[in-house]
Parts: sequence; structure tokens; C-alpha cells
Amino acid sequence: DTAVSQTPKYLVTQMGNDKSIKCEQNLGHDTMYWYKQDSKKFLKIMFSYNNKELIINETVPNRFSPKSPDKAHLNLHINSLELGDSAVYFCASSQAFPGTGVGNTIYFGEGSWLTVV
Amino acid sequence: AQKITQTQPGMFVQEKEAVTLDCTYDTSDPSYGLFWYKQPSSGEMIFLIYQGSYDQQNATEGRYSLNFQKARKSANLVISASQLGDSAMYFCAMREGGSGGGADGLTFGKGTHLIIQP
Repeated sequence: DTAVSQTPKYLVTQMGNDKSIKCEQNLGHDTMYWYKQDSKKFLKIMFSYNNKELIINETVPNRFSPKSPDKAHLNLHINSLELGDSAVYFCASSQAFPGTGVGNTIYFGEGSWLTVV
Repeated sequence: AQKITQTQPGMFVQEKEAVTLDCTYDTSDPSYGLFWYKQPSSGEMIFLIYQGSYDQQNATEGRYSLNFQKARKSANLVISASQLGDSAMYFCAMREGGSGGGADGLTFGKGTHLIIQP
């Protein structure tokens, strides 16, 4: 069973469209995240949720809106897609919150490759 | 200033040799965790090993070990007896305690692309 699963894995869409990426974790974790990996492989956090509540909202355009219907799901909706949104988006989760211990290890999904044309 | 520095953009290593991937970090927080991840060409991020700032001993997980030198703020990943399947991007990351208690997730380095040659 995949611990953190996200769909779709590949998404090609036109500028201006709206798209969503879904994420589910079956690890029983309380905290979920969205990370973005750019073309240079740099990973940066976008959002984190703990028990369905938004904890971190980095400087991300408000065209990006996360939604957490329950603590096992964190979806990412993107409005008015732009060319610069092309990236790999990773969903992730961790058990403990807050903290820096091994229990806070973040486990990632397989990534969603978004290409905006 | 970068919080995580990986100075080796790419490395070529002969199969069966040991590999050391460098990572230095910058934090004034006494509580932090250091993590290494592997990203093969298929793209998934695989957690490898963890080291806590208060841990007295270096972490080990199978062929992976972490050479933790706290005073130097260094957390190098050592892979023993490298295999072809070790070819991948490797990322060092840190989670700081801070006022948010680690709420701000992981800060990543830029990664090292490791290629194991037969």
C-alpha cells in the first residue's frame, strides 16, 4: 500500500486553466504538506496543515489554495495556471507535530509533474 | 544565507567504493533534526536517515551512516559499498525547533547528483 499517494502523476494543461492535485495518506499522520520542486530540483515548502488547520502558508500566490477535508487528505487547487507554475509538486506527511525528532520525519508522495503550456 | 549547503553538485564514484556526500547547516536553534533523502530518476523522495541535534551517536541505517560533527555544523552522509542503484539525487534537509516548534517543515539543500559507475 502506498503511504502517501497523489493524483495525477502527470498533468499537462494550458495557461489560464484551473487544476487540482489530490493527496491522501494512510499513515495516520496528523500533519500534511505541499512542497514544490522547481526545474533546478530545489524543494521548497508551500503549505502545511495540522489536523486540518493551516499552519504554514509560505509566500505562494493566492492562486494556490490547499484544502483539507480531513487529516488524511490535503488537496491542492491551482487557479489561472501560468507557465511558471510548471514544476513537480510533492505531497508529504509527518506523524508528530510540532517537533524536530525522528517522529517528525516527513514522508513524501511520488510527486505530480505539472506542465503548463 | 543558505541554511543547508551541499557543495557537491555532482559526483562520480566507482561501484563498491564508499561515498561521502557533504552537508553543512546553519542554525542558532539548539533543537533541530537533520534528514537525508534520496531521489532516483523516477522522481520519488525516499527518506534515508535522521540525526537529532541532541543525539550523542552518529545515526546508521544499513549501508547509510551520518557523520555528525555538531561543532562544525556538518552532517555528511556516508554510503558504504556503493551500488549501481545508489545513483540518484541526494538531499540534505533540516527541521528547526524555533518558536513554532518545527512547524515550518524541512529546509532543503540544493542536492548532490551521485552517479555510480560499474
